[in-house]
Amino acid sequence: DQQVKQNSPSLSVQEGRISILNCDYTNSMFDYFLWYKKYPAEGPTFLISISSIKDKNEDGRFTVFLNKSAKHLSLHIVPSQPGDSAVYFCAASEDSNYQLIWGAGTKLIIKP
Amino acid sequence: DTGVSQDPRHKITKRGQNVTFRCDPISEHNRLYWYRQTLGQGPEFLTYFQNEAQLEKSRLLSDRFSAERPKGSFSTLEIQRTEQGDSAMYLCASSFFDSSGQYFGPGTRLTVT
Repeated sequence: DQQVKQNSPSLSVQEGRISILNCDYTNSMFDYFLWYKKYPAEGPTFLISISSIKDKNEDGRFTVFLNKSAKHLSLHIVPSQPGDSAVYFCAASEDSNYQLIWGAGTKLIIKP
Repeated sequence: DTGVSQDPRHKITKRGQNVTFRCDPISEHNRLYWYRQTLGQGPEFLTYFQNEAQLEKSRLLSDRFSAERPKGSFSTLEIQRTEQGDSAMYLCASSFFDSSGQYFGPGTRLTVT
């Protein structure tokens, strides 16, 4: 029973365009959501997070959108750069429990 | 570099042997987490510590697995009588008490032959 789902195993985007990565969740108790980026042979790197009291959080080229009614969040990267090529993980946690529940990841490939 | 470090980076062992991994968190962080990741999957939570206290353990953590954080600083994860199904990347992360922003180490890749 996957509580956090990333349905696209991979995504290919042209350099300079927008990359949109999607994530769905089933547990309505989740109220904190995070995106991590992972390069091969490295641990995940924290990118951006959002609390359930917000519907948008922006940090430079990265914006996360949260739609609580749809139990859906997305990560937008604008403009996409070659260094953004990596696997992106969506993760979620409940308020009183910092255990992170992770999606399976989406491999983003930025084409020059 | 004051990030999270893990040792060893790679471990190959024969089935039935015991292995121990070490994690050194970011020094100011109170919380320390262990995760396991298999190919094509996201990390799966195993256990976490707040200072030296082990506060939560996943059902994934069978009795062959034990973790310690004796002085609230570094942590060790031991797997006894390893099985081939234990082959995975073992990730350690740390965070402040009041933050869900967890910072990860590079992981220890375990291969059980």
